[in-house]
Amino acid sequence: GIQVEQSPPDLILQEGANSTLRCNFSDSVNNLQWFHQNPWGQLINLFYIPSGTKQNGRLSATTVATERYSLLYISSSQTTDSGVYFCAVELYFNKFYFGSGTKLNVKP
Amino acid sequence: DSGVTQTPKHLITATGQRVTLRCSPRSGDLSVYWYQQSLDQGLQFLIHYYNGEERAKGNILERFSAQQFPDLHSELNLSSLELGDSALYFCASNQDGLSTDTQYFGPGTRLTVL
Repeated sequence: GIQVEQSPPDLILQEGANSTLRCNFSDSVNNLQWFHQNPWGQLINLFYIPSGTKQNGRLSATTVATERYSLLYISSSQTTDSGVYFCAVELYFNKFYFGSGTKLNVKP
Repeated sequence: DSGVTQTPKHLITATGQRVTLRCSPRSGDLSVYWYQQSLDQGLQFLIHYYNGEERAKGNILERFSAQQFPDLHSELNLSSLELGDSALYFCASNQDGLSTDTQYFGPGTRLTVL
């Protein structure tokens, strides 16, 4: 099956710092999504980004489909950015495969 | 608040038992997804329904089944429970059932199998 690898597994930042999270996948995909799970467990769908770049406030994502990776950028991090970031790839229609996540801890 | 509700919030049961988890999508959403999050397996997609019909199936065990009712709420039935079924079960909904459409997640049901 498809492999979805995220790095780094853990990241500790000081508030205000920038960070880049990476998602590598082993096969061509229909779509790619980024999710955030806050420390209380709530999941939020951040982006769908099969290719190109998208921005939403301090977050932006870039997917280079031909090279099978996606990057999530967090700028001027805040404590509310803490949690786990997952990428998920859609191999077939609406069939998603998740990476193991990057756990981010933003310290005040 | 995403507008997606899940009941119950917590469920403790014994091996071999059967449980039903319930999900009510956001008003107007036709599509429901079920996910399992466990320490061993991480986040896994289980199954997707759109307007009452099954659309995609992921790593859902044969002991598990789901359905979406005419009022669009969905139920996930887990039977012959094993210790390894202990996990957080999330449902999510969106309007069009497309992966380009944002999914809105419920707060999850935490299942503990003893």
